[in-house]
Amino acid sequence: GAVVSQHPSWVICKSGTSVKIECRSLDFQATTMFWYRQFPKQSLMLMATSNEGSKATYEQGVEKDKFLINHASLTLSTLTVTSAHPEDSSFYICSATFQGQNIQYFGAGTRLSVL
Amino acid sequence: SQQGEEDPQALSIQEGENATMNCSYKTSINNLQWYRQNSGRGLVHLILIRSNEREKHSGRLRVTLDTSKKSSSLLITASRAADTASYFCGAAGNKLTFGGGTRVLVKP
Repeated sequence: GAVVSQHPSWVICKSGTSVKIECRSLDFQATTMFWYRQFPKQSLMLMATSNEGSKATYEQGVEKDKFLINHASLTLSTLTVTSAHPEDSSFYICSATFQGQNIQYFGAGTRLSVL
Repeated sequence: SQQGEEDPQALSIQEGENATMNCSYKTSINNLQWYRQNSGRGLVHLILIRSNEREKHSGRLRVTLDTSKKSSSLLITASRAADTASYFCGAAGNKLTFGGGTRVLVKP
């Protein structure tokens, strides 16, 4: 149980375009979803925390207008990288948790390459 | 900034040997969690140790926690080639903050 699906797994886009990444909890209702960014051989940096039906809470230094997060339902959160630039190229990972649970369940990640 | 810092950054061992990695954190925690990440994939939860626990076992995994030193260790016994991965500690205070990770290579 507790499966999180993230899509797409890999995306290449041109500079200036927007990219949407989906994160779905398949067999549980995710009260909270998290979005992380990871650079090669580095740790995960929390970008934002989103609760269903409310605005996401962004970490310091993360541009909310650049990284739009929507958590419209208890099973789906989306991250949209707007007007992507090469410096946005990275590995983005989502995770989800449900009420009363300390553990986060992670998606497989999305590798974004901006040309 | 990341709370957890891990040591060593990389570890290379032979199959059958034990692998030990350490994690330090900076602030108060409710629990500390260890995760595993295979290359290019998401994280998989391995084990959670609560702040009032000192040691916990799960299969070939042994975790210790010393809240006075704000440190934790993960021991993988009798390692296998399939254990090759990066291992991250996550310090759970108000949020889960990950350390830099230890890249473990288990050679067959």
